[in-house]
Amino acid sequence: EVQLLESGGNLVQPGGSLTLSCAAPGFTFSSYVMNWVRQAPGQGLEWVSTITGSGLSTYYADAVKGRFTISRDNSKNTLYLQMSSLGAEDTAVYYCVRATGTTGAFDSWGQGTLVTVSS
Amino acid sequence: SYVLTQPPSVSVAPGKTASITCGGNNIGSNSVHWYQQRPGQAPVLVIYYDSDRPSGIPERFSGSNSGNTATLTITRVEAGDEADYYCQVWDSNSDHRVFGGGTKLTVL
Repeated sequence: EVQLLESGGNLVQPGGSLTLSCAAPGFTFSSYVMNWVRQAPGQGLEWVSTITGSGLSTYYADAVKGRFTISRDNSKNTLYLQMSSLGAEDTAVYYCVRATGTTGAFDSWGQGTLVTVSS
Repeated sequence: SYVLTQPPSVSVAPGKTASITCGGNNIGSNSVHWYQQRPGQAPVLVIYYDSDRPSGIPERFSGSNSGNTATLTITRVEAGDEADYYCQVWDSNSDHRVFGGGTKLTVL
């Protein structure tokens, strides 16, 4: 069974940094493109970032480019999202999501971890 | 960047058919995926590559895509179908993934 277990969400001050993790047991992690998708309170879904199975290619939404870094450790079956220069607009539930290929659908979602940026 | 437009809300009586549209410039040349998000839950993939259904998704859910509009159709709507629905594509021009704004389906 596919499991995506996010952690690391927290309250952080504006301008601060935070790193999210996503443990991914239950499937061949290195074979899959992985993503982060976020959802601000009461708002819709927003794609944040994508990383290929090898980790060699990464993609970012314009809103986070230069501030967020996606990475993975295939030996630990874990996905990461390093976030810096956080602002109130980054307050959201962050979902770890598996995709069926670089351009394919998001076929498995974690339950999400809440990041709150506030003083 | 590529924009996907969905109606904010759609209402339907139980047992009837609901159609949720997703508009985009020449969206018919893209592959469209659809997600269902019930309140307080993570999204679930219900249609991929325009019209394919993942295992476990009822046959009542179907999709189509042509021209400037993709459509998610739910037949014989049930109370449990009440949720937010999102369309999504990959924009080849920007290498970005894009979501529509979401449609809240209300079962009357």
